[in-house]
Amino acid sequence: QTVVTQEPSLTVSPGGTVTLTCASSTGAVTSGNYPNWFQQKPGQAPRPLIYSTTNKHSWTPARLSGSLLGGKAALTLSGVQPEDEAEYYCLLYYSGAWVFGGGTKLTVL
Amino acid sequence: QLQLQESGPGLVKPSETLSLTCTVSGDSIINRNYYWGWIRQPPGKGLEWIGSIYHSGTTDYNPSLKSRVTISVDTSKNQVSLKLTSVTATDTAIFYCARFYYGVDYWGQGALVTVSS
Repeated sequence: QTVVTQEPSLTVSPGGTVTLTCASSTGAVTSGNYPNWFQQKPGQAPRPLIYSTTNKHSWTPARLSGSLLGGKAALTLSGVQPEDEAEYYCLLYYSGAWVFGGGTKLTVL
Repeated sequence: QLQLQESGPGLVKPSETLSLTCTVSGDSIINRNYYWGWIRQPPGKGLEWIGSIYHSGTTDYNPSLKSRVTISVDTSKNQVSLKLTSVTATDTAIFYCARFYYGVDYWGQGALVTVSS
């Protein structure tokens, strides 16, 4: 069973920069895993942010970016704002199956 | 504007079958650019991919649920359906319908299904 691992929690100051990562138990994450990132706030459905590693949806803020970093998928938030406080999930593809990471709770403090 | 709306019973008894329907508006489920699927989230916990169905009718399922899951489409009604058999309390979750395009690009609002006698 493939496991996708994210930092359980991170804290960032308003205006700061933070990078969330997404690791795979099978080895390095590649573009072939089509990394996706989602933001979820309490009581809401997840909101897509990034697909296929770096691609943004039309509604994704420009200060968010996706990448591959040190064998992991990464989501970087720059100029963090209070409304960025949320749970963030990554999603990876493995030959017909999708696996979510456990989520990162981002606190803006 | 694409909309996905889940519907079905909010309460299911243990050992019975959970059935949900997703009605898609604003796009056709036979659009070859996309495929469709279901994701669930137990209260207070993380997300779990249940399975997906392609325009060809081919399906992929989460190995941990494969023996209990069936996803199907009704093209005449533009709907995607989910059946999960032999449910237990651990199947209690919010169930989301989703459109897939190199990942998930649209989610339904979700439907809470509680398994309890």
